[in-house]
Amino acid sequence: KNQVEQSPQSLIILEGKNCTLQCNYTVSPFSNLRWYKQDTGRGPVSLTIMTFSENTKSNGRYTATLDADTKQSSLHITASQLSDSASYICVVSDRGSTLGRLYFGRGTQLTVWP
Amino acid sequence: EADIYQTPRYLVIGTGKKITLECSQTMGHDKMYWYQQDPGMELHLIHYSYGVNSTEKGDLSSESTVSRIRTEHFPLTLESARPSHTSQYLCASSDGSGTDEGETQYFGPGTRLLVL
Repeated sequence: KNQVEQSPQSLIILEGKNCTLQCNYTVSPFSNLRWYKQDTGRGPVSLTIMTFSENTKSNGRYTATLDADTKQSSLHITASQLSDSASYICVVSDRGSTLGRLYFGRGTQLTVWP
Repeated sequence: EADIYQTPRYLVIGTGKKITLECSQTMGHDKMYWYQQDPGMELHLIHYSYGVNSTEKGDLSSESTVSRIRTEHFPLTLESARPSHTSQYLCASSDGSGTDEGETQYFGPGTRLLVL
């Protein structure tokens, strides 16, 4: 069964600290993996996208890693800010074509305290 | 910030009422989607469209219906709302470029629906 599991479910950190969010998936075939940020009361916004051949991709203070062999991805947030408080959702696609289906994780709820 | 809009943002309505959730985008995207999201849960695809006059049901069974008469507009209708329909509804669109990186979906802000 194609699934996307995220951990931890929730996380509280102090402003300025780093954190790492995990995503494990069983989706096959695999095309790409995205991390989305969803602020409370808003729609998700894409942060990074990684294809099979990519190991690391950065977007400012966000760095995503992908291990296609173990089917794991992580999102590392450096020097956290209060505005990083949000839900971070891992989304895996089984094909790169327009026929690809998306599998969503339940998200990690990150709270950054001052 | 994506140019995709949803109205209303919040709706409280009684059981049995007919409601229409509006979604519009100004990016000229052919593909549009409706998702349902409960707190702490994953997004579930309930409807999608590949273009004008094209609509398909998604993975999650839904009593709602959709229409796509214009490229920019993809409304969702519930003929008779029930408390079980209480949820957040997210609309999204994409250009369906079909590259190896797949397609980026741009989401609207969502409509939070409460059926009493």
